Amino acid sequence: EIVMTQSPATLSVSPGERATLSCRASQSVSSNLAWYQQKPGQAPRLLIYGASTRATGIPARFSGSGSGTEFTLTISSLQSEDFAVYYCQQYSNWPLTFGGGAKVEIK
Amino acid sequence: QVQLQESGPGLVKPSQTLSLTCTVSGGSISSGSYYWAWIRQPAGKGLEWIGRIYTSGSTNYNPSLESRVTISIDTSKNQFSLRLTSVTAADTAVYYCASITVLRGVPDNWFDPWGQGTLVTVSS
Repeated sequence: EIVMTQSPATLSVSPGERATLSCRASQSVSSNLAWYQQKPGQAPRLLIYGASTRATGIPARFSGSGSGTEFTLTISSLQSEDFAVYYCQQYSNWPLTFGGGAKVEIK
Repeated sequence: QVQLQESGPGLVKPSQTLSLTCTVSGGSISSGSYYWAWIRQPAGKGLEWIGRIYTSGSTNYNPSLESRVTISIDTSKNQFSLRLTSVTAADTAVYYCASITVLRGVPDNWFDPWGQGTLVTVSS
């Protein structure tokens, strides 16, 4: 099983600032990586697939990069609605696995 | 885009069987355009993929749950279902159904969209 490790677990950021979240895979997943956003009491929402392709309707301030074992989700200028928990997910190998999540909170 | 809605008992006794249904609207479950998946999330914790099913009935399960899980599909009702046997408190979680798009015959294996989720508590 591929283990996905996210860091930091919590990131405190002021509105308007940049947030950078990391996701590391225990072995190469190529570009088979997705990012999700989850707000309290809601289901996760797909943000990014293929490591860097934004899903339909996702604002351009969200960007993904990386390949192999190291990935980054960047939110260029945090809006109030972006404070949430973010998960990465690999779909290179069975079973499909998620990272433990990273919370972006208001500083 | 399809919409998904989970339903089923919110309370299950230990050692019994958890059964949930996901109703798909806005598209046909048998179109061949999607795989259908279940994912769960214990309170305050991360996400765990449970398994997926295709229109043909072909399934894939997480090895950690495979001995206890069955996912089935009912095309006449546009629904797919989850059965998890011999449940314990560790199975208490919000259970989500979700879809996986199939493009040119190949599933994408990311989840979009998701149902709103349903909380299942295992307790006597």
